[in-house]
Amino acid sequence: DIQMTQSPSTLSASVGDRVTITCRASQSISSWLAWYQQKPGKAPKLLIYKASNLESGVPSRFSGSGSGTEFTLTISSLQPDDFATYYCQQCNSYPLTFGGGTKVEIK
Amino acid sequence: EVQLLQSGGGLVQPGGSLRLSCAASGFTFSSYAMSWVRQAPGKGLEWVSGIFGSGGSPDYPDSVKGRFTISRDNTKNMLYLLMNSLRVEDTAVYYCSKDGAQWGQGTLVTVTS
Repeated sequence: DIQMTQSPSTLSASVGDRVTITCRASQSISSWLAWYQQKPGKAPKLLIYKASNLESGVPSRFSGSGSGTEFTLTISSLQPDDFATYYCQQCNSYPLTFGGGTKVEIK
Repeated sequence: EVQLLQSGGGLVQPGGSLRLSCAASGFTFSSYAMSWVRQAPGKGLEWVSGIFGSGGSPDYPDSVKGRFTISRDNTKNMLYLLMNSLRVEDTAVYYCSKDGAQWGQGTLVTVTS
């Protein structure tokens, strides 16, 4: 199974900050990576698919990059609505696997 | 509009069984792979099963393999998850998902004696 490692697990930031979250795969997954945002009590929301493609309706301050085993999610200017937990997921092969999550907190 | 409406779930004793259902609408159901994802209280997301549009090649992580069975009825636009031999550690909110882009509302499964 492919293991996904996210870092950091928690991130404290202020409104307007540039934020970067990293996800590493235990083996190459090409560009088969998705990023999700989740708020308490809600289903996850797809932000990025195939590593760098912005899902329809998602603000352009979110971007994704990477391929192979190293991926990043960047929020260019953190907004109040962005305080949440973020997960990566590899979609290369079954069983699909998620990273452990990154909680973005208010500094 | 894509909708995924979940039913089932609830309270069950260890060793018991439960079936979750997910009613899909607003898209050509048989053309899409579907997944079940769960989240234990205060924990992260865990993918627990997936199935291709044709119904073939279901897969599971080791944590549920041999106990959970995913299936679908493309004539009824329904996705199912049959959970047998439930354990306390299976307690979680369970979501059905299409492509990760659409999600059901989630349903709580609590395994307790």
